[in-house]
Amino acid sequence: GNSVTQMEGPVTLSEEAFLTINCTYTATGYPSLFWYVQYPGEGLQLLLKATKADDKGSNKGFEATYRKETTSFHLEKGSVQVSDSAVYFCALMNYGGSQGNLIFGKGTKLSVKP
Amino acid sequence: ETGVTQTPRHLVMGMTNKKSLKCEQHLGHNAMYWYKQSAKKPLELMFVYSLEERVENNSVPSRFSPECPNSSHLFLHLHTLQPEDSALYLCASSQEGRNPGELFFGEGSRLTVL
Repeated sequence: GNSVTQMEGPVTLSEEAFLTINCTYTATGYPSLFWYVQYPGEGLQLLLKATKADDKGSNKGFEATYRKETTSFHLEKGSVQVSDSAVYFCALMNYGGSQGNLIFGKGTKLSVKP
Repeated sequence: ETGVTQTPRHLVMGMTNKKSLKCEQHLGHNAMYWYKQSAKKPLELMFVYSLEERVENNSVPSRFSPECPNSSHLFLHLHTLQPEDSALYLCASSQEGRNPGELFFGEGSRLTVL
């Protein structure tokens, strides 16, 4: 079956530190991969995505590369800010799946201290 | 208003009560979803409506009853819930056939069942 595994949180970093949040997946076929972010008191919003192997998604200084050989889609940012404090969700959707049938990880909470 | 709005933001109910959650999207989308978000668990897709027809029902107990009267509105009717149903209920919308996997979420309705 399809599943997503994220690193356990919470992750606490100082401002300007380097961020990596690990995500690995199990899926049949060739899924599309996503990172969603949930800021405090808000709903989830799409941060970035990649639809095929070796694609790199990027947005707001965050990046993730679709690695088929390691079934991974790790989220990285070179210099985090306090405003990046949020919960980050890795997700996959298989080709042909229902639009909303995203398979989410459990989420990783990030706290950035000034 | 823009985006996806959910009401109420917080709801406390007893196990014998009947209540409803409401979701409205102002994005012109043609698909709407209910997700359940519980602590330490991945988001769970509950219901999918596409063009006002229910297309998915992920083995959700009958004490949850969805209603989609038009493409902009979605309800979740609640009846004789259990304490384990306490969670954040998220509504989302998308445009079928465009940007697969890109959902727009509301801020959620925090439900507590006593």
